[in-house]
Amino acid sequence: LAKTTQPISMDSYEGQEVNITCSHNNIATNDYITWYQQFPSQGPRFIIQGYKTKVTNEVASLFIPADRKSSTLSLPRVSLSDTAVYYCLGTGTYKYIFGTGTRLKVLA
Amino acid sequence: DTGVSQDPRHKITKRGQNVTFRCDPISEHNRLYWYRQTLGQGPEFLTYFQNEAQLEKSRLLSDRFSAERPKGSFSTLEIQRTEQGDSAMYLCASSRAVGGESDEQYFGPGTRLTVT
Repeated sequence: LAKTTQPISMDSYEGQEVNITCSHNNIATNDYITWYQQFPSQGPRFIIQGYKTKVTNEVASLFIPADRKSSTLSLPRVSLSDTAVYYCLGTGTYKYIFGTGTRLKVLA
Repeated sequence: DTGVSQDPRHKITKRGQNVTFRCDPISEHNRLYWYRQTLGQGPEFLTYFQNEAQLEKSRLLSDRFSAERPKGSFSTLEIQRTEQGDSAMYLCASSRAVGGESDEQYFGPGTRLTVT
């Protein structure tokens, strides 16, 4: 049983900001929220990780509200090369459960 | 290149044959994971090592699957008496355990298995 819930797919246009929300109602106190990106025929690639509030790196931002029951991955100004599947998972108790992810398609 | 490597990248075998895959993790990483992924699905956890100890194994993993990490470095995944349902991408990942539950995994390119 997957411990996280994400939209199955999203479409966006180049240059737009994309927000992908993940629900994790049963997240454990010690769990971090981690997002991975996967291109076809490649292994997943780590994007960002956070525990609460906001985390930003050179690729994305991650927003986690105080109750930690959800998180939002924000990709600024997406390009065609951001077309991929995005997975959120809790590291710790549920670190191994990827779910089906969100298929993001960026259109020109 | 200091990334995770897997060998072979592709394997075609006949049903009933045994196959073995190898994973070389990033050298300073003490954790190693094996996953299986089929088309349209996310990676499915198979097993996990911390150093040479196999600490977790999925209930979905049948007795035909076995994994080893004898010296806490590279790992092998063997599938005995392969079945067509074993056809999938087999992914290896490694990470460096730190305090708490934060665990950033680095994935290899995978081994694509086709059972005919």
